[in-house]
Amino acid sequence: EVQLLESGGGLVQPGGSLRLSCAASGFTFSSYGMTWVRRAPGKGLEWVSSIGGSGRSTNYADSVKGRFTVSRDNSKNTLYLQMNSLGAGDTALYYCARVSGSPDYWGQGTLVTVSS
Amino acid sequence: QAGLTQPPSVSKGLRQTATLTCTGDSNNVGNQGAAWLQQHQGHPPKLLSYRNNTRPSGISERFSASRSGNTASLTITGLQPEDEADYYCSAWDSSLSARVFGGGTKLTVL
Repeated sequence: EVQLLESGGGLVQPGGSLRLSCAASGFTFSSYGMTWVRRAPGKGLEWVSSIGGSGRSTNYADSVKGRFTVSRDNSKNTLYLQMNSLGAGDTALYYCARVSGSPDYWGQGTLVTVSS
Repeated sequence: QAGLTQPPSVSKGLRQTATLTCTGDSNNVGNQGAAWLQQHQGHPPKLLSYRNNTRPSGISERFSASRSGNTASLTITGLQPEDEADYYCSAWDSSLSARVFGGGTKLTVL
């Protein structure tokens, strides 16, 4: 059974940093691209970043480019999202999802709140 | 990054048929096709359809997707109370090298 478990969310002050993790199980992690998607309160889904199976290929939404870094450790079956220079607009529930053409399996999400 | 266009809300009666639309352009929906996701309040999104009309295992046949040009559609037949949810379309945009989402359609089953 495919399982994705996000962690690392929390309350952070504006300008601060957080690192999210997504632990994967139930599939060959290195064979799949992975993606981060967020949903801010009262808003719809917003794509944040994607990474290829090997980790060499990465893409970012314009809204996070230069501030967020996606990475993965295939030996630990774990996806990461390093978030720096956080602002109020980054407050959201962050989901990781496996990509098989489209995001097919999703985690439950981890909540990031940026507030002073 | 420009997103895909979905109507904000659709309301239909129990056991009726709802058709949700998603409009993009030749770089996303028109090129790669669209995926459809369902999200109930407090739950993660669930993939309903990908590559325009392929349903993952376990998804009801009441959900069917199609595409015409740059517009994708999701048709839900025999509406049930549990179909009340937010529905999103998504596609990879080859010109942006980015995944784009629609703003979501809130489906209300009357």
